[in-house]
Amino acid sequence: DTAVSQTPKYLVTQMGNDKSIKCEQNLGHDTMYWYKQDSKKFLKIMFSYNNKELIINETVPNRFSPKSPDKAHLNLHINSLELGDSAVYFCASSQDSRSGNEQFFGPGTRLTVL
Amino acid sequence: ILNVEQSPQSLHVQEGDSTNFTCSFPSSNFYALHWYRWETAKSPEALFVMTLNGDEKKKGRISATLNTKEGYSYLYIKGSQPEDSATYLCANRGQAGTALIFGKGTTLSVSS
Repeated sequence: DTAVSQTPKYLVTQMGNDKSIKCEQNLGHDTMYWYKQDSKKFLKIMFSYNNKELIINETVPNRFSPKSPDKAHLNLHINSLELGDSAVYFCASSQDSRSGNEQFFGPGTRLTVL
Repeated sequence: ILNVEQSPQSLHVQEGDSTNFTCSFPSSNFYALHWYRWETAKSPEALFVMTLNGDEKKKGRISATLNTKEGYSYLYIKGSQPEDSATYLCANRGQAGTALIFGKGTTLSVSS
């Protein structure tokens, strides 16, 4: 069983479109995250939710909107896609938001905006 | 913004060699340090989480130490094997409830 799963794995779309990436974890964790791996391979936090509540929101364009219907799911919706949004997006989860908890990462979604 | 620096950026060793990498972070802004192993085409996997100065953790041939006063952590691999080839990431959490800040990683390549 996959602990943290993301769909789709690959997403190719045109500029201006709206798209969503889904994330699900079956670990019973309370906290979930979205990271963006930029062109320099840097992993940068975008959002973090704890028990469906937003706890971290880094400086991300408001075209990006996370949605957590329950604590096992954290979806990422992106409006009006731009070329610069092309990247690999990773979802992760941890037991809770405390410092000593390791994060479990999903397989990533490679988004290509044409 | 925290600066997490890792060195070297890449490293190539022969099978059987022992090696180590460095992660440095602001000692004035530390809450926890994470190490992850990231193989190509896979997702990062947690190796260690350390919170106390002087912490030492070990998993098989891989071990890590932490010095929070001077702001660095070392990752050691004893007797490197080809399957150790991966990018090793460290990440610092500066305060409780804040985000992990990742370094750019050290990419290790082990030749047989």
